[in-house]
Amino acid sequence: NAGVTQTPKFQVLKTGQSMTLQCAQDMNHNSMYWYRQDPGMGLRLIYYSASEGTTDKGEVPNGYNVSRLNKREFSLRLESAAPSQTSVYFCASSFGHSYNEQFFGPGTRLTVL
Amino acid sequence: QQQVKQSPQSLIVQKGGISIINCAYENTAFDYFPWYQQFPGKGPALLIAIRPDVSEKKEGRFTISFNKSAKQFSLHIMDSQPGDSATYFCAARANSGSRLTFGEGTQLTVNP
Repeated sequence: NAGVTQTPKFQVLKTGQSMTLQCAQDMNHNSMYWYRQDPGMGLRLIYYSASEGTTDKGEVPNGYNVSRLNKREFSLRLESAAPSQTSVYFCASSFGHSYNEQFFGPGTRLTVL
Repeated sequence: QQQVKQSPQSLIVQKGGISIINCAYENTAFDYFPWYQQFPGKGPALLIAIRPDVSEKKEGRFTISFNKSAKQFSLHIMDSQPGDSATYFCAARANSGSRLTFGEGTQLTVNP
Protein backbone atom coordinates (compact mmCIF):
# COMPACT_ATOMS: atom_id res chain seq x y z
CA ASN A 1 0.00 0.00 0.00
CA ALA A 2 1.26 3.45 -0.91
CA GLY A 3 -0.75 5.14 1.88
CA VAL A 4 -1.35 8.82 1.10
CA THR A 5 0.27 10.18 -2.04
CA GLN A 6 0.52 13.80 -3.12
CA THR A 7 1.53 15.45 -6.39
CA PRO A 8 3.49 17.49 -7.15
CA LYS A 9 6.27 17.48 -4.53
CA PHE A 10 7.43 20.98 -5.40
CA GLN A 11 5.85 23.85 -7.32
CA VAL A 12 6.72 27.46 -8.03
CA LEU A 13 3.93 29.78 -9.17
CA LYS A 14 3.69 33.41 -10.07
CA THR A 15 1.12 35.60 -8.35
CA GLY A 16 -2.26 35.14 -9.99
CA GLN A 17 -1.58 31.72 -11.47
CA SER A 18 -3.80 28.78 -10.61
CA MET A 19 -2.98 25.19 -9.80
CA THR A 20 -4.44 22.03 -8.32
CA LEU A 21 -2.75 19.87 -5.70
CA GLN A 22 -3.65 16.22 -5.98
CA CYS A 23 -4.07 13.75 -3.13
CA ALA A 24 -4.99 10.06 -3.17
CA GLN A 25 -5.22 7.37 -0.49
CA ASP A 26 -5.47 3.61 -0.85
CA MET A 27 -6.53 2.75 2.73
CA ASN A 28 -10.28 2.91 2.11
CA HIS A 29 -10.52 5.86 4.49
CA ASN A 30 -13.72 7.86 4.71
CA SER A 31 -12.28 11.22 5.76
CA MET A 32 -9.67 13.36 4.05
CA TYR A 33 -8.04 16.65 5.02
CA TRP A 34 -5.89 19.43 3.62
CA TYR A 35 -3.49 21.29 5.93
CA ARG A 36 -0.91 23.98 5.45
CA GLN A 37 2.24 24.14 7.56
CA ASP A 38 3.98 27.43 8.22
CA PRO A 39 6.89 28.05 10.61
CA GLY A 40 5.70 28.73 14.15
CA MET A 41 2.05 28.15 13.26
CA GLY A 42 1.78 24.40 13.29
CA LEU A 43 -0.62 22.62 10.98
CA ARG A 44 -3.73 24.55 10.09
CA LEU A 45 -6.75 22.86 8.54
CA ILE A 46 -7.81 24.35 5.21
CA TYR A 47 -10.68 22.06 4.19
CA TYR A 48 -11.78 18.58 5.03
CA SER A 49 -14.14 15.95 3.73
CA ALA A 50 -15.77 13.82 6.40
CA SER A 51 -17.08 11.40 3.80
CA GLU A 52 -17.38 11.03 0.05
CA GLY A 53 -19.64 13.75 -1.32
CA THR A 54 -19.15 16.22 1.54
CA THR A 55 -16.65 19.01 2.12
CA ASP A 56 -16.35 21.59 4.88
CA LYS A 57 -14.23 24.62 5.63
CA GLY A 58 -11.46 24.44 8.20
CA GLU A 59 -9.59 27.24 9.93
CA VAL A 60 -8.05 28.93 6.86
CA PRO A 61 -10.21 28.25 3.76
CA ASN A 62 -9.94 31.65 2.04
CA GLY A 63 -8.31 31.46 -1.38
CA TYR A 64 -8.79 27.71 -1.72
CA ASN A 65 -11.35 25.30 -3.13
CA VAL A 66 -11.55 21.53 -2.85
CA SER A 67 -13.10 18.62 -4.67
CA ARG A 68 -13.72 15.16 -3.25
CA LEU A 69 -13.55 13.39 -6.60
CA ASN A 70 -14.31 9.93 -5.17
CA LYS A 71 -13.52 8.06 -1.99
CA ARG A 72 -9.81 7.88 -2.86
CA GLU A 73 -9.07 11.37 -4.14
CA PHE A 74 -9.28 14.85 -2.65
CA SER A 75 -7.85 17.81 -4.55
CA LEU A 76 -7.03 21.35 -3.44
CA ARG A 77 -7.22 24.23 -5.92
CA LEU A 78 -5.68 27.67 -5.74
CA GLU A 79 -7.60 29.82 -8.22
CA SER A 80 -5.37 32.91 -8.04
CA ALA A 81 -2.22 32.25 -6.08
CA ALA A 82 -0.86 34.87 -3.69
CA PRO A 83 2.54 35.08 -1.94
CA SER A 84 0.72 34.47 1.38
CA GLN A 85 -0.07 30.98 0.10
CA THR A 86 3.61 30.04 0.05
CA SER A 87 3.64 27.06 2.39
CA VAL A 88 3.99 23.32 2.68
CA TYR A 89 0.68 21.57 2.04
CA PHE A 90 -0.19 18.22 3.56
CA CYS A 91 -3.03 15.91 2.73
CA ALA A 92 -4.19 13.42 5.35
CA SER A 93 -6.81 10.72 5.65
CA SER A 94 -8.51 8.71 8.38
CA PHE A 95 -11.39 6.31 8.85
CA GLY A 96 -13.20 9.26 10.39
CA HIS A 97 -14.50 7.46 13.44
CA SER A 98 -13.69 8.53 16.97
CA TYR A 99 -10.02 8.48 17.93
CA ASN A 100 -8.88 7.35 14.49
CA GLU A 101 -5.33 8.13 13.50
CA GLN A 102 -4.77 10.57 10.65
CA PHE A 103 -2.23 9.41 8.07
CA PHE A 104 -0.31 12.15 6.29
CA GLY A 105 1.16 12.36 2.82
CA PRO A 106 4.71 13.57 2.14
CA GLY A 107 3.67 17.14 1.41
CA THR A 108 3.88 19.66 -1.43
CA ARG A 109 6.20 22.61 -1.06
CA LEU A 110 4.63 25.58 -2.85
CA THR A 111 6.31 28.91 -3.50
CA VAL A 112 4.34 31.84 -4.91
CA LEU A 113 6.47 34.64 -6.30
CA GLN B 1 -6.89 31.90 17.12
CA GLN B 2 -4.76 29.00 18.32
CA GLN B 3 -6.87 26.73 20.51
CA VAL B 4 -3.93 24.57 21.51
CA LYS B 5 -0.84 26.37 22.77
CA GLN B 6 2.46 24.49 22.66
CA SER B 7 5.81 25.28 24.27
CA PRO B 8 8.71 25.54 23.88
CA GLN B 9 9.10 26.39 20.22
CA SER B 10 12.52 24.73 20.18
CA LEU B 11 14.36 22.44 22.56
CA ILE B 12 17.94 21.19 22.70
CA VAL B 13 18.71 18.19 24.87
CA GLN B 14 21.80 16.07 25.39
CA LYS B 15 21.73 12.38 24.55
CA GLY B 16 20.30 10.45 27.47
CA GLY B 17 18.43 13.44 28.85
CA ILE B 18 14.69 13.98 29.28
CA SER B 19 12.79 16.06 26.72
CA ILE B 20 9.57 17.72 27.92
CA ILE B 21 7.07 19.47 25.66
CA ASN B 22 3.96 21.12 27.05
CA CYS B 23 0.54 21.92 25.63
CA ALA B 24 -2.45 23.79 27.02
CA TYR B 25 -6.00 24.06 25.73
CA GLU B 26 -9.20 25.94 26.52
CA ASN B 27 -11.94 23.97 24.81
CA THR B 28 -13.47 21.56 27.33
CA ALA B 29 -15.06 19.64 24.46
CA PHE B 30 -11.65 18.23 23.51
CA ASP B 31 -11.59 14.53 24.36
CA TYR B 32 -8.64 13.04 22.49
CA PHE B 33 -5.06 14.27 22.60
CA PRO B 34 -2.53 12.82 20.15
CA TRP B 35 1.09 13.70 19.61
CA TYR B 36 2.56 13.63 16.11
CA GLN B 37 6.23 13.37 15.17
CA GLN B 38 7.60 14.86 11.96
CA PHE B 39 11.03 14.28 10.45
CA PRO B 40 12.45 16.78 7.94
CA GLY B 41 10.91 16.42 4.51
CA LYS B 42 8.24 14.00 5.73
CA GLY B 43 4.63 14.23 6.79
CA PRO B 44 3.69 13.99 10.47
CA ALA B 45 3.03 10.54 11.93
CA LEU B 46 1.14 9.55 15.06
CA LEU B 47 3.48 8.92 17.99
CA ILE B 48 1.22 8.41 21.00
CA ALA B 49 -2.25 9.52 22.11
CA ILE B 50 -4.29 9.79 25.30
CA ARG B 51 -7.92 10.18 26.29
CA PRO B 52 -8.86 12.31 29.31
CA ASP B 53 -10.08 9.38 31.40
CA VAL B 54 -6.46 8.54 32.28
CA SER B 55 -3.72 10.78 33.65
CA GLU B 56 -0.77 9.08 32.02
CA LYS B 57 0.06 6.84 29.09
CA LYS B 58 3.44 5.31 28.42
CA GLU B 59 4.78 3.67 25.28
CA GLY B 60 8.43 2.77 25.51
CA ARG B 61 10.45 5.94 26.14
CA PHE B 62 7.47 8.20 25.38
CA THR B 63 4.97 9.24 28.05
CA ILE B 64 1.97 11.56 27.92
CA SER B 65 0.95 13.21 31.19
CA PHE B 66 -2.55 14.69 31.27
CA ASN B 67 -3.98 17.16 33.78
CA LYS B 68 -7.67 17.61 33.08
CA SER B 69 -8.31 20.25 35.75
CA ALA B 70 -5.44 22.42 34.48
CA LYS B 71 -6.31 21.67 30.84
CA GLN B 72 -2.71 20.79 30.13
CA PHE B 73 -0.89 17.80 28.74
CA SER B 74 2.75 17.09 28.09
CA LEU B 75 5.06 14.71 26.26
CA HIS B 76 8.08 13.31 28.06
CA ILE B 77 10.83 11.57 26.10
CA MET B 78 13.08 9.60 28.42
CA ASP B 79 16.68 8.73 27.51
CA SER B 80 16.47 11.04 24.48
CA GLN B 81 18.41 9.87 21.42
CA PRO B 82 19.74 11.74 18.36
CA GLY B 83 17.20 9.79 16.30
CA ASP B 84 14.44 11.54 18.27
CA SER B 85 15.45 14.85 16.68
CA ALA B 86 12.28 15.96 14.91
CA THR B 87 9.38 18.37 15.17
CA TYR B 88 6.66 17.36 17.61
CA PHE B 89 3.07 18.53 17.44
CA CYS B 90 0.43 18.14 20.09
CA ALA B 91 -3.17 18.08 18.93
CA ALA B 92 -6.70 17.84 20.27
CA ARG B 93 -9.99 16.59 18.92
CA ALA B 94 -13.45 17.71 19.93
CA ASN B 95 -16.07 15.06 20.51
CA SER B 96 -18.15 16.34 17.64
CA GLY B 97 -16.02 15.00 14.80
CA SER B 98 -12.70 13.81 13.45
CA ARG B 99 -11.01 17.18 13.01
CA LEU B 100 -7.76 17.80 14.88
CA THR B 101 -6.52 21.15 16.16
CA PHE B 102 -2.73 21.26 16.26
CA GLY B 103 -0.30 23.16 18.44
CA GLU B 104 2.44 25.31 16.95
CA GLY B 105 5.08 22.57 17.05
CA THR B 106 8.36 22.05 18.92
CA GLN B 107 11.63 21.44 17.11
CA LEU B 108 13.63 18.99 19.23
CA THR B 109 17.35 18.54 18.74
CA VAL B 110 19.15 15.81 20.67
CA ASN B 111 22.90 16.31 20.66
CA PRO B 112 25.13 13.21 20.70
